[in-house]
Amino acid sequence: GAGVSQSPSNKVTEKGKDVELRCDPISGHTALYWYRQRLGQGLEFLIYFQGNSAPDKSGLPSDRFSAERTGESVSTLTIQRTQQEDSAVYLCASSLGPPSGGAYEQFFGPGTRLTVL
Amino acid sequence: TQLLEQSPQFLSIQEGENLTVYCNSSSVFSSLQWYRQEPGEGPVLLVTVVTGGEVKKLKRLTFQFGDARKDSSLHITAAQPGDTGLYLCAGAAETSGSRLTFGEGTQLTVNP
Repeated sequence: GAGVSQSPSNKVTEKGKDVELRCDPISGHTALYWYRQRLGQGLEFLIYFQGNSAPDKSGLPSDRFSAERTGESVSTLTIQRTQQEDSAVYLCASSLGPPSGGAYEQFFGPGTRLTVL
Repeated sequence: TQLLEQSPQFLSIQEGENLTVYCNSSSVFSSLQWYRQEPGEGPVLLVTVVTGGEVKKLKRLTFQFGDARKDSSLHITAAQPGDTGLYLCAGAAETSGSRLTFGEGTQLTVNP
């Protein structure tokens, strides 16, 4: 497909377990973003990857959260020892390149809905 | 920390009515984007504005960027049920590099 894809679409886990969320960006897009969206709220920035540069991790809420990206392809967001407050939709987006003031359009995937029981 | 405040948070109107959604901040943004999000999907970009005072029109939607680049508005004329969704503004500050700061969103419902 031509769009950003994410898997799984839904994930239900027990408190204390680790989860891995996957994002496949649009081919050729060098920039990749992860966001968290709680029910009825806006998007909370988590992490940004741009090419081979060091990622901007300034939005990660705790050291239980980490993300990796291999080159300019797939990214995984890992949440260790999940807590109930981690329940949210996790959205991935990709764009052609550095935002240059936000001018580059971000294309979003459908998100992964995480529920921690 | 740059904050974007959107108002109203919820809006329910009848088909054919006009509406305006506001996005305000005390920070200056180099650009501001408006997205629309439908249930179960990611946000989709509607417009990007980069110049203070800029006005862009997209069919029945009119977007304005404030002269001081601290605020923006989205006006919809003759709303239709298909306009229903969550409208999000997102700003990029010159000092924030890659980060977009999103508002909390305005949930619009247009009733037939």
